[in-house]
Amino acid sequence: EVQLLESGGGLVQPGGSLRLACVASGFDFNFHAMNWVRQAPGKGLQWVSGITIGGHGAYYADSVEGRFTISRDNSRNTLYLQMNSLRPDDTALYYCAKSVDIALTNRIDHWGQGTLVTVSS
Amino acid sequence: DIQMTQSPSTLSASVGDRVTITCRASQSITTSLAWYQENPGKAPNLLIYEASSLESGVPSRFSGSGSGTEFTLTINNLQPDDFATYYCHQYNSYAHTFGQGTKLEIK
Repeated sequence: EVQLLESGGGLVQPGGSLRLACVASGFDFNFHAMNWVRQAPGKGLQWVSGITIGGHGAYYADSVEGRFTISRDNSRNTLYLQMNSLRPDDTALYYCAKSVDIALTNRIDHWGQGTLVTVSS
Repeated sequence: DIQMTQSPSTLSASVGDRVTITCRASQSITTSLAWYQENPGKAPNLLIYEASSLESGVPSRFSGSGSGTEFTLTINNLQPDDFATYYCHQYNSYAHTFGQGTKLEIK
């Protein structure tokens, strides 16, 4: 069974930083592109970032480009999202999401349960 | 980035009805489109991929169509579990985007 377990969320002041992690199990992590998707309270889904299987290709939504960094450690089956210069509009539930295969340009087929990030003074 | 415009934002229907949700892309995405169902407090669930392929385990009353820039999700014979929020999702580009969502409510 595919499992994606996010952690690292919490309350942070504007301008602060957080690092999210997602531990994957139940599939071969080395052969799947991975993504972060967020959902602000009462709002829709927003794709945040995606990373290729080797970690050399990283892509971002315009709203987080230059502030967030996605990475992965295939030896630990773990996906990360380093979030810097956080703003109140970054407040959201952050989902770890698995692409169906090696291609980042493919559908997301599994999601974690999310970790909540709140940016407030 | 490719923009996805989904309509309507809210839809009221009754059990047994047939409903259609539309998604329009700002440029061609061929058939690189998925539909998800989201229930409160739960992660999204994949229903349709490649515009018209039914995900394993999803009831056949769900169907998708379209290509290029115009796509539809149709739900036949609405069941009580179908009242949820639905999102389209384009994955044609490295920067994915989602539609704004359609909340399907009981009339």
